[in-house]
Amino acid sequence: EADIYQTPRYLVIGTGKKITLECSQTMGHDKMYWYQQDPGMELHLIHYSYGVNSTEKGDLSSESTVSRIRTEHFPLTLESARPSHTSQYLCASSERGDRGFYNEQFFGPGTRLTVL
Amino acid sequence: KNQVEQSPQSLIILEGKNCTLQCNYTVSPFSNLRWYKQDTGRGPVSLTIMTFSENTKSNGRYTATLDADTKQSSLHITASQLSDSASYICVVSDRGSTLGRLYFGRGTQLTVWP
Repeated sequence: EADIYQTPRYLVIGTGKKITLECSQTMGHDKMYWYQQDPGMELHLIHYSYGVNSTEKGDLSSESTVSRIRTEHFPLTLESARPSHTSQYLCASSERGDRGFYNEQFFGPGTRLTVL
Repeated sequence: KNQVEQSPQSLIILEGKNCTLQCNYTVSPFSNLRWYKQDTGRGPVSLTIMTFSENTKSNGRYTATLDADTKQSSLHITASQLSDSASYICVVSDRGSTLGRLYFGRGTQLTVWP
């Protein structure tokens, strides 16, 4: 099993609250990702990072922000949560292979967020 | 438009039976195709990966096939077990850059009944 961790696993909060979803990996991978997944739907990339101090927006527009101060840590923050943010958030990481392409992405267990 | 389509959307089978899940993609240029297993409330875990030159790959009771000409893949599960109940996701990577862009299908929800 991959060494990538997410906390909390489940979170129920009220509208307007600020939240931070934690993600950490112990594999030394340089690239990390955040995905959003609704039930029965595909994963959508919302943020990714190539390494420390690198953050990029993904394909799906998101009001969340991310930071990458340490290689192993890639937290996601919502300044003011809304019911539309209710979803599952998955963190993943990967390393660059010999030919420069990124290898398999390893996923964390996910955080199920419910905003009331 | 790069897309990954999976069928069926859901499937129920009895324990011990075999089943085959389908994946069609339009991703180009193609790099590789992976099948992931996602248990309820967990993150996806890779089962198999195939590149352009490979047309079959096995992992225990899981066998994936790839036809790069027709852009189709299948995942065959043999002698199903209750623990096989999960969502199976087809993921295709392009080789347009070193970014390793991934395209996800919506998954097939497999339920194995005793």
